[in-house]
Parts: sequence; C-alpha cells; structure tokens
Amino acid sequence: EIVLTQSPGTLSLSPGERATLSCRASQSVSSSYLAWYQQKPGQAPRLLIYGASSRATGIPDRFSGSGSGTDFTLTISRLEPEDFAVYYCQQYGSSPPTWTFGQGTKVEIK
Amino acid sequence: EVQLVESGGGLVQPGGSLRLSCAASGFTFSSYDMHWVRQATGKGLEWVSAIGTAGDTYYPGSVKGRFTISRENAKNSLYLQMNSLRAGDTAVYYCARAGPDGSVDYWGQGTLVTVSS
Repeated sequence: EIVLTQSPGTLSLSPGERATLSCRASQSVSSSYLAWYQQKPGQAPRLLIYGASSRATGIPDRFSGSGSGTDFTLTISRLEPEDFAVYYCQQYGSSPPTWTFGQGTKVEIK
Repeated sequence: EVQLVESGGGLVQPGGSLRLSCAASGFTFSSYDMHWVRQATGKGLEWVSAIGTAGDTYYPGSVKGRFTISRENAKNSLYLQMNSLRAGDTAVYYCARAGPDGSVDYWGQGTLVTVSS
C-alpha cells in the first residue's frame, strides 16, 4: 500500500508570496495518477491538478504541478487571498484499484 | 452543471446500519465511475469505495466486508450501504465523480454520519 506524506504540515505565507507544497510517496507513483485538491473550511474538496501537472477546468495558471516517481510538488506562484486553504495530494494505484490521499498541508496567512 | 447531492446521514448506534444515497445530475451518470470519500472532523480525506460503469466495486481494507457501494443508472443514483458501523466511521461522507487519470473531479457537499451510543 502506497503512503503519501505531505510537507510541511502548515505553511505560513503572505499574499503575493510563492507557495511550494511537497507530496512524497512511499513507492514510485505513475505520474499519470497523481492529483492535487484544495479544500476550504466547510466546503468539499476541489480538483486542482491531475496527471501530476495538468490543471483541471477553470483552475488559474498560478497553480502548477510537477514531479515524478516518489516526489511531487504543487506550486502556487503568487498567493491570492482565496488560496489560503488545505491542500491534499492523491494517487491512484491500479493493482488492485485503490485511491490514497496525503494527510494535507494547510496554507495559512502569515 | 454537474451536481451531486448526498442524503441519508444521521446518528446511528455502534453496530448499526445506514444507507447513504447520492443523486447525480448534469452529466451522463452511467458513463462515469463513482466514489465515496469520507472525512472525520478536523481530519484528512479517506477513500471509502468506488464503483465502475460495469458495476465492478472496490474498497479499502478498513471498510471491506462492512460497506457496499451500488448504483442505479436509471435513477442517476449512487448508494453506500454501511453495516456494522463503528465510532471510527463517524465522518462527513462525500459522493464524488471519477475524473481523468484516477482523480476525482466533482464532489457533493457531503452528509454527516455519526456513530455513537
């Protein structure tokens, strides 16, 4: 079973700054099957990135994903006030089919 | 517009059962795999079950043998039958649509299940 570990647990930044979030897998993950989500308090998660680097519909280009193997990164180039939230990575494994989430990174206002 | 609306949550005693429903609209339901994902208060996301378009089902070890996912395409509906419930099953349960490359692209607003005596 693949375990996803996100770091840091909390990231304290100011609007306009760059945010770099890490997701490390316990085993190699196909880049095609790594996604990132944003969740705000009291709301359902929202898909940001799929296939490690493809933005979902309607996602601003300040959000970008990268990485391969066991190390993946979500970058927010310039934080907007609405970007302060919790972010989760997620991987899909095919044998057998399973979907695993990381524990989340909270991006808070400094 | 894709909409997923969950119902059926509530308070249940340990060992009890509950059936969640999800009404889907705004897309061709029968053409998509579907998921249930849960989130305990203040905790992260946990995948609970998935069902393919052909009715194939998948579960993590934590719920296998206790939970059953099913779908009724004629009613654009997804279900989760939960038996032998435990306190650790207390969470908001989200209905979600499978997206590209193993992702989950649309989520409902969730229904709260509380397992307590």
